Amino acid sequence: DAGVIQSPRHEVTEMGQEVTLRCKPISGHNSLFWYRQTMMRGLELLIYFNNNVPIDDSGMPEDRFSAKMPNASFSTLKIQPSEPRDSAVYFCASSLAGGSYQPQHFGDGTRLSIL
Amino acid sequence: DAKTTQPNSMESNEEEPVHLPCNHSTISGTDYIHWYRQLPSQGPEYVIHGLTSNVNNRMASLAIAEDRKSSTLILHRATLRDAAVYYCILRDAGNQFYFGTGTSLTVIP
Repeated sequence: DAGVIQSPRHEVTEMGQEVTLRCKPISGHNSLFWYRQTMMRGLELLIYFNNNVPIDDSGMPEDRFSAKMPNASFSTLKIQPSEPRDSAVYFCASSLAGGSYQPQHFGDGTRLSIL
Repeated sequence: DAKTTQPNSMESNEEEPVHLPCNHSTISGTDYIHWYRQLPSQGPEYVIHGLTSNVNNRMASLAIAEDRKSSTLILHRATLRDAAVYYCILRDAGNQFYFGTGTSLTVIP
């Protein structure tokens, strides 16, 4: 079975540019999570969706970040305008909803570098 | 804030058992204990989870203290492929995961 698919794997762009990260969750999973990982702060939850609806976006750093989930098989995380401090690895994860025992399945991440 | 405390690093010899400890003294009655590991350049990978009873699966065993304030992940025979950062995480009823800083496991051949 296909796991969580993220694209692109690597992104290098100049500050001020718009960046869009994409995620395809595992088919049948109805919870989706976006994380950011840096050396300084470790893994941080940015936002998560249940049944395509954003439930908690308190981890989104500021208004430059936005996330959408237009359908059950696709989500985007957008940064506009990007800044060097946004450089990090961004992970998408999905799980079945309905209980705190459900494991999350992570993609391989997008390594983002803002110059 | 992380709700779990783990040693920053541990070492193990190949083919020997490894016991990775985790303290979670503020755990609530409905929090599940999850363990994930992250290999270099990969996303975190689910290892095991439990609530109150000890759990076993093909990857590892999870021993949970009777008061649930600590747990131990047990790798029965460490291999070089087990070298990773291991995260002990509490997951609450609100579907939130709290990742700590994890334990970096080095396996010595």
